[in-house]
Amino acid sequence: DIVMTQTPLSLSVTPGQPASISCKSSQSLLYSNGETYLYWYLQKPGQSPQLLIYEVSSRFSGVPDRFSGSGSGTDFTLKISRVEAEDVGIYYCMQGLHVPLTFGGGTKVEIK
Amino acid sequence: QVQLQQSGPGLVKPSQTLSLTCAISGDSVSSNSAAWYWIRQSPSRGLEWLGRTYYRSKWYNDYAVSVKSRITINPDTSKNQFSLQLNSVTPEDTAVYYCARDDKDPGMRIDSWGQGTLVTVSS
Repeated sequence: DIVMTQTPLSLSVTPGQPASISCKSSQSLLYSNGETYLYWYLQKPGQSPQLLIYEVSSRFSGVPDRFSGSGSGTDFTLKISRVEAEDVGIYYCMQGLHVPLTFGGGTKVEIK
Repeated sequence: QVQLQQSGPGLVKPSQTLSLTCAISGDSVSSNSAAWYWIRQSPSRGLEWLGRTYYRSKWYNDYAVSVKSRITINPDTSKNQFSLQLNSVTPEDTAVYYCARDDKDPGMRIDSWGQGTLVTVSS
């Protein structure tokens, strides 16, 4: 199975300040078609996870442009340019290259 | 816009069978481009993929090794839904269970989730 490792475990951010989350996979997520199947999700308190970023850097429908994703191979980053109160929750990376789907352990983002 | 509505009991006794259903609106369980998943979440295991069913001219299933001997995921085309059965449950199966849709092939992108069902295994 592909192991997904996220850091840090938690972040406390002042509104308007940036935040960054790292995700590393135990093997490359690059597929033979040139796509890299790395996704980012946000689980707000009491809700189901919601898709933010797909294929490393593409924002899903309705996701604000303050969210951006980058990386390649095995190293990936989610950045929030200016954190807002509504961004609190747990962020997860997920690999969609091979079954079983696997998720990182999560990064909890809270507001200072 | 696809919506997934979960139903099923929130309490199951040890050694019995956990059964959940996920009703689909806005898509078809027989779609040739989607796959239908069950995922659970617990403090000890985090988000854990359990398995999937999908149709590509015929039906396919994949299951996580950790539950492979106990799990069945079935599509129900007449009701446009799919189900999860997990046999011989123990307290370690206590979790929030989610159904979900994967809308890409290749590349397993989960774009829609059910509301989640907390299932407690206890006598």
